[in-house]
Amino acid sequence: RKEVEQDPGPFNVPEGATVAFNCTYSNSASQSFFWYRQDCRKEPKLLMSVYSSGNEDGRFTAQLNRASQYISLLIRDSKLSDSATYLCVVKRGDMRFGAGTRLTVKP
Amino acid sequence: SQTIHQWPATLVQPVGSPLSLECTVEGTSNPNLYWYRQAAGRGLQLLFYSVGIGQISSEVPQNLSASRPQDRQFILSSKKLLLSDSGFYLCAWHGQTYSPLHFGNGTRLTVT
Repeated sequence: RKEVEQDPGPFNVPEGATVAFNCTYSNSASQSFFWYRQDCRKEPKLLMSVYSSGNEDGRFTAQLNRASQYISLLIRDSKLSDSATYLCVVKRGDMRFGAGTRLTVKP
Repeated sequence: SQTIHQWPATLVQPVGSPLSLECTVEGTSNPNLYWYRQAAGRGLQLLFYSVGIGQISSEVPQNLSASRPQDRQFILSSKKLLLSDSGFYLCAWHGQTYSPLHFGNGTRLTVT
């Protein structure tokens, strides 16, 4: 079993749609969690950290469920510019990435 | 503010040739440093992780090595490149335990 697993995608949604990504992790001792965004042929950029109580940044909401060992990312009112690959990251010593979920938002 | 520099941006090397990629971080001390590789259309594979000078954890690579000769310098090397070493190499750092990773711009390596 991989340490960090994500929805394989791809997700193709119309503008304005709400889309959710999930990510599970195998090590219960994991310490911190993040969502990154990666555009084609670019380095990943931090989208948001994920806190135990859940957190929101504009149209983006991240949640952590330690009991079930998963994190989620919700994007509301999708924009064309949200098209990218979304990567979840889990830290337990080092930082491990999920394989990423490709999102395409269409007009 | 902290910045991370990685070079070169692109590299084309023949099979069997050596490799040296360098990464430096400015504006912080004792960073945790990482090398990742991303094959085309794939996720990020952790190659090396370092918590301090001379302290390097290796994950997968058989013909790659890493060194940390100074606190904010991280070098990825190979004596003989394989075709399968082609990919996008990313250096990254983070500070305190709960802080996120910050990436360099990456090196796109093509082994021919």
